[in-house]
Amino acid sequence: QKEVEQNSGPLSVPEGAIASLNCTYSDRGSQSFFWYRQYSGKSPELIMFIYSNGDKEDGRFTAQLNKASQYVSLLIRDSQPSDSATYLCAVFGTASKLTFGTGTRLQVTL
Amino acid sequence: KAGVTQTPRYLIKTRGQQVTLSCSPISGHRSVSWYQQTPGQGLQFLFEYFSETQRNKGNFPGRFSGRQFSNSRSEMNVSTLELGDSALYLCASCRDRAGNEQFFGPGTRLTVL
Repeated sequence: QKEVEQNSGPLSVPEGAIASLNCTYSDRGSQSFFWYRQYSGKSPELIMFIYSNGDKEDGRFTAQLNKASQYVSLLIRDSQPSDSATYLCAVFGTASKLTFGTGTRLQVTL
Repeated sequence: KAGVTQTPRYLIKTRGQQVTLSCSPISGHRSVSWYQQTPGQGLQFLFEYFSETQRNKGNFPGRFSGRQFSNSRSEMNVSTLELGDSALYLCASCRDRAGNEQFFGPGTRLTVL
């Protein structure tokens, strides 16, 4: 079982729709959870972080954390073509290091 | 506030050579972590430095090493380069412990021929 799992996609959503990206993790003691966006040929950019169960909203982005189910998600409302990128889920676990999923490629179509 | 900087941005080396990569964190940030990104393995943790001390290390051979200076700048070194070391090497800067938000630099693209 991978430590952090994401569906590789591509996830295709029409412009203006909600994109839902999901991530599961295996380390039950994990404390910090992050979403990074990576455009092709660029480095990862931090877009959201969440430490407590529940929802956290920032503009068009909402991160959701459910520690009991070991599940993190990212919702992108009113998706734009500029949101097309790979989204990386990262988890800071009991090994005191950030572990990344392999990423979900999002395509926002016109 | 300036972001994380990495030098050089691109590097071409041949097998058996060694290479040193440099990272300057965001001003005031004391933790620097290094990662290797390849298409096959994704982002893999190399090591983390805080206050000039290595606090954590990933599952990489001893050919990969690093250090941090008193101004928080960090370097990583790869000796006896192998073809499989071709990758994007990223450093990430964090205010204190690595469990907080990490901000990535632009990366160094290393090609080993």
